[in-house]
Amino acid sequence: AQSVTQLDSQVPVFEEAPVELRCNYSSSVSVYLFWYVQYPNQGLQLLLKYLSGSTLVKGINGFEAEFNKSQTSFHLRKPSVHISDTAEYFCAVSFSGGYQKVTFGIGTKLQVIP
Amino acid sequence: DAGVIQSPRHEVTEMGQEVTLRCKPISGHDYLFWYRQTMMRGLELLIYFNNNVPIDDSGMPEDRFSAKMPNASFSTLKIQPSEPRDSAVYFCASSFFWKGKGTEAFFGQGTRLTVV
Repeated sequence: AQSVTQLDSQVPVFEEAPVELRCNYSSSVSVYLFWYVQYPNQGLQLLLKYLSGSTLVKGINGFEAEFNKSQTSFHLRKPSVHISDTAEYFCAVSFSGGYQKVTFGIGTKLQVIP
Repeated sequence: DAGVIQSPRHEVTEMGQEVTLRCKPISGHDYLFWYRQTMMRGLELLIYFNNNVPIDDSGMPEDRFSAKMPNASFSTLKIQPSEPRDSAVYFCASSFFWKGKGTEAFFGQGTRLTVV
């Protein structure tokens, strides 16, 4: 079975500082990886995804993530955060074949401090 | 497309009452998911459908929960009878599975259920 671990439940960071949100996954087969963002009282929306190819994936709002197969990680980064990035971020994994069941991590709350 | 549409956005009901949550997926999508989000458990997958057929309902917490997808454009999640611990935000999501490429799930705005 696949699973996702987000190591930090909350991450406070000052505005314009860099941030990294950590995500590790476990799976015995090839996977697709995703990062979603949830703003208050909203549904989840996709930030970026890794399907194959280049291990560095760029997404919306200046975010990027790097797939590291040996460390089974998919950490999310942004070089300079804005107040508007305050939200909850979810890492997710699904199998690359067969039925598409998506498993989400517990989420990381990013709080950008002015 | 208007995206995934859920109704109602908010529901307050008394313990013991039946609650029905509704979802209209994005046209053309062949997967539909129901999730529940709480502070304690995060985002849990309850059940998902492929081409209107339930594939995995192992996340449905109890027999009080049931879900149907009578056609490609509509799904319901029913709780009967409801209990206070069912209070949560329920999300519906849909996706199109493109073999070998994968795709992301598109989420609705959610239904905030409060059982008093």
